[in-house]
Amino acid sequence: DAKTTQPPSMDCAEGRAANLPCNHSTISGNEYVYWYRQIHSQGPQYIIHGLKNNETNEMASLIITEDRKSSTLILPHATLRDTAVYYCIVGAAGNKLTFGGGTRVLVKP
Amino acid sequence: NAGVTQTPKFRVLKTGQSMTLLCAQDMNHEYMYWYRQDPGMGLRLIHYSVGEGTTAKGEVPDGYNVSRLKKQNFLLGLESAAPSQTSVYFCASSSLLAGGEPHNEQFFGPGTRLTVL
Repeated sequence: DAKTTQPPSMDCAEGRAANLPCNHSTISGNEYVYWYRQIHSQGPQYIIHGLKNNETNEMASLIITEDRKSSTLILPHATLRDTAVYYCIVGAAGNKLTFGGGTRVLVKP
Repeated sequence: NAGVTQTPKFRVLKTGQSMTLLCAQDMNHEYMYWYRQDPGMGLRLIHYSVGEGTTAKGEVPDGYNVSRLKKQNFLLGLESAAPSQTSVYFCASSSLLAGGEPHNEQFFGPGTRLTVL
């Protein structure tokens, strides 16, 4: 599975959009981009995934570049409860997920 | 639905003791997983199961055994606990895709905090 690179931490303001970048320059054609988050002391929570088209659900939007070498997770209106570690994972459907270090996001009032 | 539950929530063991962690899911999922998470690190896969009666090794299986006697339960055993096994253990489950592969939307339990002295 392709590796991902994420910034170790970032801050964002409550009520503003949070844009979380992820680089995955070695992604293969059959590999998806998955995003999970882990709120302190809890189990990880699935957010969204995509292959090449942009995706949106009730939690977030996922923007994947045309060359698929990077993506951005967008939390449209960050709240204090969005403070968490966000994991970007790439892998083929059915392959085991590999969780890296993630981005520690702190939403500030 | 309770989703994925784990028992116990906390446990302290002495080196050499044994214990079993229980994971239960009520979503009729085929796939179940055990991960460990050390402080400040991502999750690492210990063992997983693709269905009742089947198990397979993950990234860090040494020192652990698992069993899946019932579809809804996945047990993780430590036969002789070591301080290096101090960690938070998460169980997860996922459904099947049409082709038989696991759906990568995994549902996680709340975790078990294990300390081995």
